[in-house]
Amino acid sequence: GNSVTQMEGPVTLSEEAFLTINCTYTATGYPSLFWYVQYPGEGLQLLLKATKADDKGSNKGFEATYRKETTSFHLEKGSVQVSDSAVYFCALDLGSRQLSFGAGTTVTVRA
Amino acid sequence: EPEVTQTPSHQVTQMGQEVILRCVPISNHLYFYWYRQILGQKVEFLVSFYNNEISEKSEIFDDQFSVERPDGSNFTLKIRSTKLEDSAMYFCASGPGPYSNQPQHFGDGTRLSIL
Repeated sequence: GNSVTQMEGPVTLSEEAFLTINCTYTATGYPSLFWYVQYPGEGLQLLLKATKADDKGSNKGFEATYRKETTSFHLEKGSVQVSDSAVYFCALDLGSRQLSFGAGTTVTVRA
Repeated sequence: EPEVTQTPSHQVTQMGQEVILRCVPISNHLYFYWYRQILGQKVEFLVSFYNNEISEKSEIFDDQFSVERPDGSNFTLKIRSTKLEDSAMYFCASGPGPYSNQPQHFGDGTRLSIL
């Protein structure tokens, strides 16, 4: 079946540190890949996406590259801020429009 | 930017009662979804709805659940005879047609607490 495996958290960082959240997937076809973010007390917001191999999604200083050879879509940010504290979800969509989410990674950034 | 709106933001219900969660999808979207997130767990797909009928549903979406689009704007999730384990955050989402690369847009969720 289709599934997403995310790096387990929680992750605690200092401001301006480098953030990586690993995400790998299993899919029977060629999925679109997404990162969603959930800030405290809020709903899910799309952070970035990539629809085919070697695509790079980017937004708000975050980046992720769709790696078909390693079935990965790792999220990175070079210099995090306190406002980046949130839960990050990796997700895939095989075109059925049913999103499969990873377990989520809680990130806390300290000043 | 258009948004998906959900009401209420928090619903407290006695076990065994029926509850209806409401959503107003983005107006030109064709697909509608419900997801559930039990506290501390992953977001799980419940059901998708297209052209006034269920398109797909998960194992979670049993006879206790139903969805409806009663008018041109609202999309509702009804849970009959609620159980303690139905306590969760319920997210509505909407998206364009199945062959679009555009992502689903999520509402802020309804937190359902069953007592």
